[in-house]
Amino acid sequence: QKEVEQNSGPLSVPEGAIASLNCTYSDRVSQSFFWYRQYSGKSPELIMSIYSNGDKEDGRFTAQLNKASQYVSLLIRDSQPSDSATYLCAVYNNNDMRFGAGTRLTVKP
Amino acid sequence: GAVVSQHPSWVICKSGTSVKIECRSLDFQATTMFWYRQFPKQSLMLMATSNEGSKATYEQGVEKDKFLINHASLTLSTLTVTSAHPEDSSFYICSASLVGGTEAFFGQGTRLTVV
Repeated sequence: QKEVEQNSGPLSVPEGAIASLNCTYSDRVSQSFFWYRQYSGKSPELIMSIYSNGDKEDGRFTAQLNKASQYVSLLIRDSQPSDSATYLCAVYNNNDMRFGAGTRLTVKP
Repeated sequence: GAVVSQHPSWVICKSGTSVKIECRSLDFQATTMFWYRQFPKQSLMLMATSNEGSKATYEQGVEKDKFLINHASLTLSTLTVTSAHPEDSSFYICSASLVGGTEAFFGQGTRLTVV
């Protein structure tokens, strides 16, 4: 069974700190990896995608992928209170998109 | 980014009635659309995957006769909750994949309340 595992949190960091979110997946042949942010009562929105091993940076966000370890992470630098949300890791392979349970992040002013 | 429109955003219906939810890709063609259900404080649970012009593939435990999915065109998929019951009350979200792409873009979600 294909699984995507995330620490449900809550993860609490002070404003300005680095938030680190982790995700592991079980399907070795997974092709694409995504991080979505979901505010309460809203639909998820895509914030990062990563397809190859290594780091990918976009503004304050850095996604890291290690296919050998089946591990993907998201770093948020200079965390802001507006970053407080649930972050969903998603793994895609062959028309199948699976989500982790999400990690709830709280950034305290 | 690509835009996916889901309608209605919320609906209240009586137990035993049917509700149709539409999911449209507005500025791209989507060969694949996904339907999810999310209960409060839980993650998205994939219900079914639909490919344009073919029958949807349902996840284990999802009743295909209760949750009817139609994907008649590259820009429209519909989910019909038949004979709805209070336990069907949930947040239903669709997402669509670009042709030849792998990213999925979400609709706004539909909050269904069955009374």
